[in-house]
Amino acid sequence: GAVVSQHPSWVICKSGTSVKIECRSLDFQATTMFWYRQFPKQSLMLMATSNEGSKATYEQGVEKDKFLINHASLTLSTLTVTSAHPEDSSFYICSAPFGGSNTEAFFGQGTRLTVV
Amino acid sequence: GQNIDQPTEMTATEGAIVQINCTYQTSGFNGLFWYQQHAGEAPTFLSYNVLDGLEEKGRFSSFLSRSKGYSYLLLKELQMKDSASYLCAVVDSNYQLIWGAGTKLIIKP
Repeated sequence: GAVVSQHPSWVICKSGTSVKIECRSLDFQATTMFWYRQFPKQSLMLMATSNEGSKATYEQGVEKDKFLINHASLTLSTLTVTSAHPEDSSFYICSAPFGGSNTEAFFGQGTRLTVV
Repeated sequence: GQNIDQPTEMTATEGAIVQINCTYQTSGFNGLFWYQQHAGEAPTFLSYNVLDGLEEKGRFSSFLSRSKGYSYLLLKELQMKDSASYLCAVVDSNYQLIWGAGTKLIIKP
């Protein structure tokens, strides 16, 4: 079946540094990918929709300059958390819709970011 | 290993009731989510259960039994717009989400 691979699974970084998270569709092409964040015991919150070859669409309240999204190819989208702060510590997960007759989204494994 | 099982596809009739089951085996448990996702769209949150029992929210209800590793999503008075995929996801001991593959629900007139 279709697989979305997200890397890294977890990362610890210092305040002020930047962290890049990759999301790859392994056996299908994804023109769209979704990026979510989730705090413990809370629901997923959609951050942005990544579109291959064009600018990402950000949800209200999400800082575009802080959460940089690049969707340079049909199989790769990246989320870069710039100048990370402890409040950015969260669980980030990507997902991609599967094309053809099966249009369910498939999710990456998630990335737990801890900023110290 | 960690595992979430839910049926791949279900079919129901408009106006009827349908129950979508989810069984899980995870390292720890910190809650279970149900999400709805329409084709080509991002998933939308439906429910979150962390304690045993039934939680009702309009036409949708979600039930959890932690001892049985079991949950279900109950949809009443089905409408055509309920045709979607329904995703079950469990939060494990590391607060990582373990996702089911989703159940595609087809509503027929």
